[in-house]
Amino acid sequence: NAGVTQTPKFRVLKTGQSMTLLCAQDMNHEYMYWYRQDPGMGLRLIHYSVGEGTTAKGEVPDGYNVSRLKKQNFLLGLESAAPSQTSVYFCASCSLHYQPQHFGDGTRLSIL
Amino acid sequence: DQQVKQNSPSLSVQEGRISILNCDYTNSMFDYFLWYKKYPAEGPTFLISISSIKDKNEDGRFTVFLNKSAKHLSLHIVPSQPGDSAVYFCAARKPGQAGTALIFGKGTTLSVSS
Repeated sequence: NAGVTQTPKFRVLKTGQSMTLLCAQDMNHEYMYWYRQDPGMGLRLIHYSVGEGTTAKGEVPDGYNVSRLKKQNFLLGLESAAPSQTSVYFCASCSLHYQPQHFGDGTRLSIL
Repeated sequence: DQQVKQNSPSLSVQEGRISILNCDYTNSMFDYFLWYKKYPAEGPTFLISISSIKDKNEDGRFTVFLNKSAKHLSLHIVPSQPGDSAVYFCAARKPGQAGTALIFGKGTTLSVSS
């Protein structure tokens, strides 16, 4: 019963490096989201997708790009990592807009 | 500016007692509110929700109350158990927004002692 799976769980990067975080859901959900959580803060929306092939900016999109080539996958990319992007990243999905979102267990990313 | 506020960073309660977690919001357009529970090193898990057309929703030990005039909601846990110790996030949804992403508060850490 996988639900929402995030890969990797931990990663350390150097400033300027690039990487892609993968989110996969097996619930056939239309909507997918990427959030970041910083210490003492709530979750803030980075980007989201309302269906395969669509993406849109959230509250804090700068420095990130996303793609949703397949319905079950939502990728978050950092082209040139900065220390300010050190955070825990959560992916979420839901089937209909009024349904609760299901979250993955997060990716802890440190940028030195 | 924060649209969803959880003004108490932490709450300590004894096992068996009631836990009351509070949340205030500023946008009267929010139409759906949720509570999520989060354990360390895990993602948030959905706990309970309430639509703006209701003022109470109950699920077992968990009850959420909504006071629209005061723009305030609260989560009651009765009786509290040590396993309830976690961070609780209040979240709200604004209608009409594509994707209807949630706006989260900063969370309240609940500690239930036995």
